Amino acid sequence: SYELTQPPSVSVSPGQTARITCSGDALPKQYAYWYQQKPGQAPVLVIYKDSERPSGIPERFSGSSSGTTVTLTISGVQAEDEADYYCQSADSSGTSLNWVFGGGTKLTVL
Amino acid sequence: QVQLVQSGAEVKKPGASVKVSCKASGYTFTSYDINWVRQATGQGLEWMGWMNPNSGNTGYAQKFQGRVTMTRNTSISTAYMELSSLRSEDTAVYYCARGRRASTIFGVVHYYYYGMDVWGQGTTVTVSS
Repeated sequence: SYELTQPPSVSVSPGQTARITCSGDALPKQYAYWYQQKPGQAPVLVIYKDSERPSGIPERFSGSSSGTTVTLTISGVQAEDEADYYCQSADSSGTSLNWVFGGGTKLTVL
Repeated sequence: QVQLVQSGAEVKKPGASVKVSCKASGYTFTSYDINWVRQATGQGLEWMGWMNPNSGNTGYAQKFQGRVTMTRNTSISTAYMELSSLRSEDTAVYYCARGRRASTIFGVVHYYYYGMDVWGQGTTVTVSS
């Protein structure tokens, strides 16, 4: 089955830039989406279609794509950005739409 | 405002079934897919399937095929997810989330992808004997 691979953890100091990667064979053909999840809360969409930012999401969140890897970048990280981050994309191998989530990355703000 | 409100926590015995509801408000219910995603304690997000409330069409993750059924009642803008033959590994928080938008133009359905932009608050399902 199709998999998206993320690093388990990323640590940065406040004010620095955090980069979280997500790798998958179908990413050159399928858009990626990113979600932020804080403890005890539902996920929140922070990036859609690789690099688009929903309204209400701070400008410090950005997304990019290169080949089989997509990257979520958080510039000027703040303490409130500490959370789990998940990428999501479509499995293009079948005839029906199937979504897949990456395993998640815990962002720690030191 | 746009929101999804889910039903309350459930406790079930192994082998039983559970049905979780997800009531939509603030937007046209039939225009957007409803996805179901679950999360076991300390684990990641796991996509279970989608349903188009307009047509009733569904797509299920292979892992859940044969055990999950997604339905809707358009008159009350509510989606349902029923999971059968429950086992302890099904203990998790179950979320509904709004997905792709569908628009029919001259009889042709067009899909628009903006991610899962609205989520329910989650429903805890505990499977225990």
